[in-house]
Amino acid sequence: DIHMTQAPSTLSASVGDTVTISCRASRSISSWLAWYQQKPGKAPKLLMSDASDLESGVPSRFSGSGSGTEFTLTINNLQPDDFATYYCQQYNTFLPYTFGQGTKLELK
Amino acid sequence: EVLLLESGGELVQPGGSLRLSCDASGFIFSNYAMNWVRQAPGRGLEWVSSISADHETTSYATSVKGRVTVSRDNSKHSLYLQMSSLRPEDTALYYCAKSSGDDILKGDYFDLWGQGTQVTVSS
Repeated sequence: DIHMTQAPSTLSASVGDTVTISCRASRSISSWLAWYQQKPGKAPKLLMSDASDLESGVPSRFSGSGSGTEFTLTINNLQPDDFATYYCQQYNTFLPYTFGQGTKLELK
Repeated sequence: EVLLLESGGELVQPGGSLRLSCDASGFIFSNYAMNWVRQAPGRGLEWVSSISADHETTSYATSVKGRVTVSRDNSKHSLYLQMSSLRPEDTALYYCAKSSGDDILKGDYFDLWGQGTQVTVSS
């Protein structure tokens, strides 16, 4: 199985800040990486796929980068609606799909 | 409106069985692979099972293999998860999630999620 590790587990920030969340794969997954946002009591929402392709309707302050084993999710000019938990997911190999453990972005 | 609506979750005793359902609307259900993903209380996301658009191919996480069966009825736009020999560690919110493609043998991401149905395994 490909193991996904996110850092940090918790991130404290303020409105207007720029933050970066890291996701590392235990072996190369090319660019087969998705990012999801989950708010308390809600289902996860797809933010981007293929490491950097923003899903329709997702604000442009969200961006993704990376390939191989190292990936980042960057959120510029944090808005109140952005405080949530973020997960990465690899889909390079189907057996099995694996997620990072999540990064909780909280208001400082 | 594009929507996935899960049902069937409940409190069940260890060793019991349960059938979860997911009703889809707003898209051509038969064109897409479908998945079950679960989230234990306070924990992260864990993929459980997938089924191809034509229901010919299925796959399961090691943690549930042999105890769950995924199926779909494209005429009813519905996805199912039959669960048996349930264990306390199966306690979780079970999400139905749509793949972006039709084939589970290629990697894929999940572009639509339902709100989940709660399964609690406890005596």
